[in-house]
Amino acid sequence: DTGVSQNPRHKITKRGQNVTFRCDPISEHNRLYWYRQTLGQGPEFLTYFQNEAQLEKSRLLSDRFSAERPKGSFSTLEIQRTEQGDSAMYLCASSLGAASTGELFFGEGSRLTVL
Amino acid sequence: KNQVEQSPQSLIILEGKNCTLQCNYTVSPFSNLRWYKQDTGRGPVSLTIMTFSENTKSNGRYTATLDADTKQSSLHITASQLSDSASYICVVSAEQAGTALIFGKGTTLSVSS
Repeated sequence: DTGVSQNPRHKITKRGQNVTFRCDPISEHNRLYWYRQTLGQGPEFLTYFQNEAQLEKSRLLSDRFSAERPKGSFSTLEIQRTEQGDSAMYLCASSLGAASTGELFFGEGSRLTVL
Repeated sequence: KNQVEQSPQSLIILEGKNCTLQCNYTVSPFSNLRWYKQDTGRGPVSLTIMTFSENTKSNGRYTATLDADTKQSSLHITASQLSDSASYICVVSAEQAGTALIFGKGTTLSVSS
């Protein structure tokens, strides 16, 4: 297993378009997390899944954002009607067990630029 | 409010020199503290993770210390290399269910030859 995989790595879109990012976690990890990171800041939590259940969502996750993990394996993060403020790096991470106590592994991120 | 503060914000050192990065936190109840290295445009990679009972942990040329009484941690890099140029992020975990990870903003280290 090669770790957490994210694609696309880069996405440039026009304001108002929809975009979708995919994350493939480490295969035996039951927990999956999405974070957003802007320049000069640490990652900010968006949402997390335990298996297929979405257990927690940040207030940062507006109605335009939706995340799924339909079979408890890969996950998608969709942003509808993108705005320039959505430009950021979107990081996915996975863990076996709670991230608060165990190791958290990050993917390489998907960088979104909204023009 | 749970917070993680890192200093300095940025640092420039010459190759071969040592440096120390600082992390102060106000997170309660504390579970563990981690240091991540993040190369530009890449995802963070774990360097160390320390629980309340550990006060030092090494990973090659990286040594992290933790003082749970003063709620301070440091990351010491020995004999720096150009490849150490990155952002170093301190993350503190609170003892609670779910995601309870509080991220610092990171220290950007530039190693020059």
